[in-house]
Amino acid sequence: QKEVEQNSGPLSVPEGAIASLNCTYSDRGSQSFFWYRQYSGKSPELIMSIYSNGDKEDGRFTAQLNKASQYVSLLIRDSQPSDSATYLCAVTDERTTDSWGKLQFGAGTQVVVTP
Amino acid sequence: DAGVIQSPRHEVTEMGQEVTLRCKPISGHDYLFWYRQTMMRGLELLIYFNNNVPIDDSGMPEDRFSAKMPNASFSTLKIQPSEPRDSAVYFCASSLIWGQETQYFGPGTRLLVL
Repeated sequence: QKEVEQNSGPLSVPEGAIASLNCTYSDRGSQSFFWYRQYSGKSPELIMSIYSNGDKEDGRFTAQLNKASQYVSLLIRDSQPSDSATYLCAVTDERTTDSWGKLQFGAGTQVVVTP
Repeated sequence: DAGVIQSPRHEVTEMGQEVTLRCKPISGHDYLFWYRQTMMRGLELLIYFNNNVPIDDSGMPEDRFSAKMPNASFSTLKIQPSEPRDSAVYFCASSLIWGQETQYFGPGTRLLVL
């Protein structure tokens, strides 16, 4: 059974600090990795995607991928109260032609940024 | 673009009733996805379409659920008969191409089955 694992949190982060979120996945064949942000009562929105090992930075967000260790992480620098949300890790299923690209989501990590 | 449009936004019904959820994807997007989100199971893919054709419905929980996409701008997810355990938020999403392309989610339909 393929799984995407995340700590549910809540992860409490002081304003201005770095929030570090981790995600592990079980399918070594996964090729594409995404971080979605979901505010309470709202729909998920994509904030980062990463496809190759290493770091990818976009503004205050940095995604890190290590396929050998099967984990992907998200760093939020200079955390703001507006970053308080649930962050969902998503991994594509690329084992077969039919399932290629199908997203599997983790349960999400709730982040609370305290002023 | 208006984004993915879903209706209704909220639905309260009684067990045994038929429920129909509607989705209009972003114009030009070839892929449409139906997801269900609950506290217990998180966000689950139910079914997805490519160019109006259902490709993978392995996530549909049982025969009470059915989905159609009669044209490129409209899809429905139907539950008949509905049960209290179907209570969840149902999201529709669309994307331009497969795999690495961003999926854009609609606002969701909050379904409560009494």
